[in-house]
Amino acid sequence: GAGVSQSPRYKVAKRGQDVALRCDPISGHVSLFWYQQALGQGPEFLTYFQNEAQLDKSGLPSDRFFAERPEGSVSTLKIQRTQQEDSAVYLCASSLVGGSKGYTFGSGTRLTVV
Amino acid sequence: AQRVTQPEKLLSVFKGAPVELKCNYSYSGSPELFWYVQYSRQRLQLLLRHISRESIKGFTADLNKGETSFHLKKPFAQEEDSAMYYCALSHTGNQFYFGTGTSLTVIP
Repeated sequence: GAGVSQSPRYKVAKRGQDVALRCDPISGHVSLFWYQQALGQGPEFLTYFQNEAQLDKSGLPSDRFFAERPEGSVSTLKIQRTQQEDSAVYLCASSLVGGSKGYTFGSGTRLTVV
Repeated sequence: AQRVTQPEKLLSVFKGAPVELKCNYSYSGSPELFWYVQYSRQRLQLLLRHISRESIKGFTADLNKGETSFHLKKPFAQEEDSAMYYCALSHTGNQFYFGTGTSLTVIP
């Protein structure tokens, strides 16, 4: 596609509900990244894929967070039993290989947990 | 631990005035430094990388290893430069550490 596409753009979840956020990277981009951006903060790294392999998940805040990219293209970030502190914008980014030349970011999914 | 500090949350300058957005980092090795920009209602996008030593939209940034700084500068601010600016550091080429951002307003 022309850019990184994320859906939904907005999601309101009741506390305890499970959510799934989707990221469609630029076609041919090998690397895919997820970031979490809380209000008034910069993006914080969650996890990184190279093709279907999850090479780094050190930023996932708890075992309620799970990401997958089974066929090396579309990725899903799942949050189980959402808590209010999970409210944030979730950003997806992709790059041809690695991030040393910078990423292309999506518009993000704004998650609000009520 | 890696850290990026942007001391100014808000910065206002008049059109045509010079602008400098400050960024300091802490990292013991040789990091790669970046500036990202987010214009109103647009997505976060790469502005420039220190390694390419380029000037984008009139902005430049020099890596000062002695002061561990990577300040973003432009000699003459334009109204269209009003945006949120994030400094970011990477040492692996993959995981980025972002600062908290500086909101720049250029007053006409």
